[in-house]
Amino acid sequence: DIVMTQSPDSLAVSVGERATINCKSSQSVLDSSNNKNYLGWYQQKPGQPPKLLIYWASTRESGVPDRFSGSGSGTDFTLTISSLQAEDVAVYYCQQYYSTSITFGGGTKVEIK
Amino acid sequence: EVQLVQSGAEVKKPGESLKISCKGSGYDFTNYWIGWVRQMSGKGLEWMGIIYPGDSDTRYSPSLQGQVTMSVDKSISTAYLQWSSLRASHTAIYYCARLSTIFGVVSGFDSWGQGTLVTVSS
Repeated sequence: DIVMTQSPDSLAVSVGERATINCKSSQSVLDSSNNKNYLGWYQQKPGQPPKLLIYWASTRESGVPDRFSGSGSGTDFTLTISSLQAEDVAVYYCQQYYSTSITFGGGTKVEIK
Repeated sequence: EVQLVQSGAEVKKPGESLKISCKGSGYDFTNYWIGWVRQMSGKGLEWMGIIYPGDSDTRYSPSLQGQVTMSVDKSISTAYLQWSSLRASHTAIYYCARLSTIFGVVSGFDSWGQGTLVTVSS
């Protein structure tokens, strides 16, 4: 299995400040045939199912605010919330779907400082 | 609107069997993989497997293979997850989710069910 390692486990950020979450895969998730990284980011708020924010490492899902952005390629990826809002308090997960054995990162809890 | 609606919460005893469901609507159910994801209380997301309703092709997580069975009834656009003998360690919320593709390229789980809480306790 491809192991996804997220850091940090949690972070507290003031409203309006930047939040950065990292995700590292144990092997590359880049498909060289189409230059797409099979890496997604999800947001899960308490009591709700996860919600897809970013796919192909950097493409925002329809309706996702543009303060959310994804970057990276190969094995190292980042989710950035450019200006944290109160409604962004949640746990964020990265996920790879390069392998038919899909795996998630352990999650990063984002709170307000 | 794409929707996945899951069956309600279940309370079972160890050793009992269970089948939970996930009904899709608003899209061609047979053309998208459906995945199952487990979330134990206070823990992260764990991918269990995926099934393609068009031909019932199934892939299981190596760590969970043999513990659960996935199936579909495409005539009623419904996917199922079942256990033949539940254990306390199966207590969790189970989500189904649609694996989306864009121009034939997989792009993640874009629609999720509301989750089914399964509690196994004597």
